This record gives sequence, structure tokens and C-alpha cells, in this order.
Amino acid sequence: DQQVKQNSPSLSVQEGRISILNCDYTNSMFDYFLWYKKYPAEGPTFLISISSIKDKNEDGRFTVFLNKSAKHLSLHIVPSQPGDSAVYFCAAYKTGKLIFGQGTTLQVKP
Amino acid sequence: NAGVMQNPRHLVRRRGQEARLRCSPMKGHSHVYWYRQLPEEGLKFMVYLQKENIIDESGMPKERFSAEFPKEGPSILRIQQVVRGDSAAYFCASSPAGLAGEETQYFGPGTRLLVL
Repeated sequence: DQQVKQNSPSLSVQEGRISILNCDYTNSMFDYFLWYKKYPAEGPTFLISISSIKDKNEDGRFTVFLNKSAKHLSLHIVPSQPGDSAVYFCAAYKTGKLIFGQGTTLQVKP
Repeated sequence: NAGVMQNPRHLVRRRGQEARLRCSPMKGHSHVYWYRQLPEEGLKFMVYLQKENIIDESGMPKERFSAEFPKEGPSILRIQQVVRGDSAAYFCASSPAGLAGEETQYFGPGTRLLVL
């Protein structure tokens, strides 16, 4: 029962271009959605979040879009930098619990 | 301004031994969460604790696993009689009390448990 899904295991983009990471969910009762970035052998680092009542949130190079009717969210990174290469997890929040997707490995090529 | 601290970072145990994982939340945070990441998988929620209270343990295996967050000291995740399938990365996270900002959980570096 995978409530949060990231269907693309990996993504490769050129430095300076846009990276778009996607996430789908099944439960319309989630209150927030969050994106985390993770390097090997480290813990996840919080990037950006969005309330379920919003459809867009922007923070510097990172923008998250939420489409509630499609139960879909996406993270846009522009411009992409080599240091952005990592595993990105989307997570949905409800009453103290984060439910994570499987992750997407982003590689940004110089 | 220390973040979430976990120790040890690496732990090796033989089958049947006990594993104790410690977590100190960020300063000012009173909510602690434990997650487990198996190889090639995402993080899975295990338990949510506040000081001296278990709020949600719906992700904890029914046997051998327990967690506490005492009034003083770090939160402890305890695994008794470890088996090879317990080998994983265990992450602790914390968040502030109250509704504002509660959804944003900040993670520690993790403890990598290897059961031989």
C-alpha cells in the first residue's frame, strides 16, 4: 500500500537547465507535502514544503507545485547545479507522521 | 546551534544481541520521530514520541522493538535479539511543539545497524 509514489528512480539533467521531480499520492487527507534531499551516508535535509491548501510555494531556486485534483506534486529546480546531485524524497504529512516516496536520484552533469 | 544528534553512527551486532540507538533532538524541539530505511527503499515511519509519552507507534514491529523519550536525556530506540533483517539505517527526526511548524521534521545523520 504505497500512499506516496515517485515513479522515476533517476533523472539526469545538464547544469543550468531545469530539473523536475514528480510525486503522486493517493490519500487526499494529507495536510502538507515536503521535499527532502539526501546524500549518501547522511540524513535527509529539508528543502521546501507546501500546505495542502496552496498550489505553489517558491524558495530561491526551488519551487513546489501541488495539483490536488490529480493528487500530484512536483519540485522544480532552476537552474540546476552539480551540487544538487542527490536523492530527492517527497513526503506527505498527517498527524505527526511523514510518509515517504521511494526517492528519485538526480544527477546534474557539468 | 546543533542539529539532531544520533549515536552511534555505526553499530555492529551479532544475531541475538541488543541494539540501543540514541537521539538528541534539536534545541527547543520536544517531538521526536524514528524512521527506518531498508536498502533500496524509502524511509518508513516507526514511532512518534513526546517527552515521557508515545504518541503513535503504528510503524513499530510488534515484538523486540521499543522506544522511549524520557524527561531527561535522549530518546532511545531499543531492538532486542536482533536478526539480520534488522540491518538498516535508522533515522531520528525532531520538530517543535505546537501546530505551527510541526509538520517540518529535521533529521539526524542516522545510525547504520549491521547485524552479522
